[in-house]
Amino acid sequence: AQSVTQPDIHITVSEGASLELRCNYSYGATPYLFWYVQSPGQGLQLLLKYFSGDTLVQGIKGFEAEFKRSQSSFNLRKPSVHWSDAAEYFCAVDPFMIKAAGNKLTFGGGTRVLVKP
Amino acid sequence: DVKVTQSSRYLVKRTGEKVFLECVQDMDHENMFWYRQDPGLGLRLIYFSYDVKMKEKGDIPEGYSVSREKKERFSLILESASTNQTSMYLCASSLRGGTYFGPGTRLTVT
Repeated sequence: AQSVTQPDIHITVSEGASLELRCNYSYGATPYLFWYVQSPGQGLQLLLKYFSGDTLVQGIKGFEAEFKRSQSSFNLRKPSVHWSDAAEYFCAVDPFMIKAAGNKLTFGGGTRVLVKP
Repeated sequence: DVKVTQSSRYLVKRTGEKVFLECVQDMDHENMFWYRQDPGLGLRLIYFSYDVKMKEKGDIPEGYSVSREKKERFSLILESASTNQTSMYLCASSLRGGTYFGPGTRLTVT
């Protein structure tokens, strides 16, 4: 079945340490890929996206993500975490990649990040 | 910047009431969506629209309807609210290039 998996439900990281969030997808072809962040009580903010080309994608807030076709993965990374990065992070895919499909997104279950001082 | 606004951040309604959730986007996007977000279930698509007066069911349309009379506005309607519709509702709009979300409406049905 087509799906998006975020294996880690919770991650705790110390402020200043590096962070990596995992995302795996299961689709026949490479979909469009996205990472979103949701701060408590807020909507979702787009961090970055991958459509094609360079497999290392830079986003906002110092985040980057690497697409690995062989592993069907799109992991999110940040070299040095700030306390304000505490939030929930969602990986999402657009499997259809055509306008007529309306850019429907399928989301992973989310990873909640806690930042220790 | 893309802006997607939702009419209410918090809403409390009684069982059986008709509820309207309004969403407006200011970027002339053709595609608009309504999702609901529940702990442990993630985000699930209720309805979407890819043009004015066009709508399609998402994964969980039961108990909901939508209206899109103008390009910038997409309304979600709960015809007769029930307690199992207590949730966070997120509106979004998109073009190729990304989907942008509103701040959400937390609806409680008592």
